[in-house]
Amino acid sequence: DVVLTQTPPTLSATIGQSVSISCRSSQSLLHSNGNTYLHWLLQRPGQSPQLLIYSVSRLESGVPNRFSGSGSGTDFTLKISGVEAEDLGVYYCVQGTHAPYTFGAGTKLELK
Amino acid sequence: EVQLVETGGGLVQPGRSLKLSCVASGFTFSSYWMYWIRQAPGKGLEWVSSINTDGGSTYYPDSVKGRFTISRDNAENTVYLQMNSLRSEDTATYYCAKGGPQRRFDYWGQGVMVTVSS
Repeated sequence: DVVLTQTPPTLSATIGQSVSISCRSSQSLLHSNGNTYLHWLLQRPGQSPQLLIYSVSRLESGVPNRFSGSGSGTDFTLKISGVEAEDLGVYYCVQGTHAPYTFGAGTKLELK
Repeated sequence: EVQLVETGGGLVQPGRSLKLSCVASGFTFSSYWMYWIRQAPGKGLEWVSSINTDGGSTYYPDSVKGRFTISRDNAENTVYLQMNSLRSEDTATYYCAKGGPQRRFDYWGQGVMVTVSS
């Protein structure tokens, strides 16, 4: 199975600060059809996960544009340009290129 | 508005069975793959099962293969997860999720708790 390694495990930020989360895959997530099925989720405290970014860099409908995704192959990054209080929670990367779907262990974003 | 509402969770003894349901609304249910994903207390997310649009193809990780069965009723806009031979390690919140283009989980239910304990 594909292993997704997220760093850092915990991230402390102040409101307005820009932060980045890394997701590194044990094998390339480029599918033979040319797509890269690497997505980012946010799980706020006590809530269900929600989709933020899909296919590396595409912003899900309704998600603020302070969130952005980048990367290719095995290395991916989620960036938040100006953290807001509602952004606190656990961020997960998830891949759908190789069966089975696998998730990163999560990065907890907390207030400094 | 897309809504996914899971029911059927609870406390069950090891070795027993439980069936979860997820009723969907706000989209054309029969056109989308559906998924079950679980989260053990204080832990991360684990994909549990997938089902295609007509229910003819289903998929599972090794951890539940042979014990769990996903199914769907497109007339009732409902996806099910039949869980047999439950183990303590199956204790988790189970989420129903809608599949979107690009193999993404674009909507999630509120989750239902399953506790396997004697």
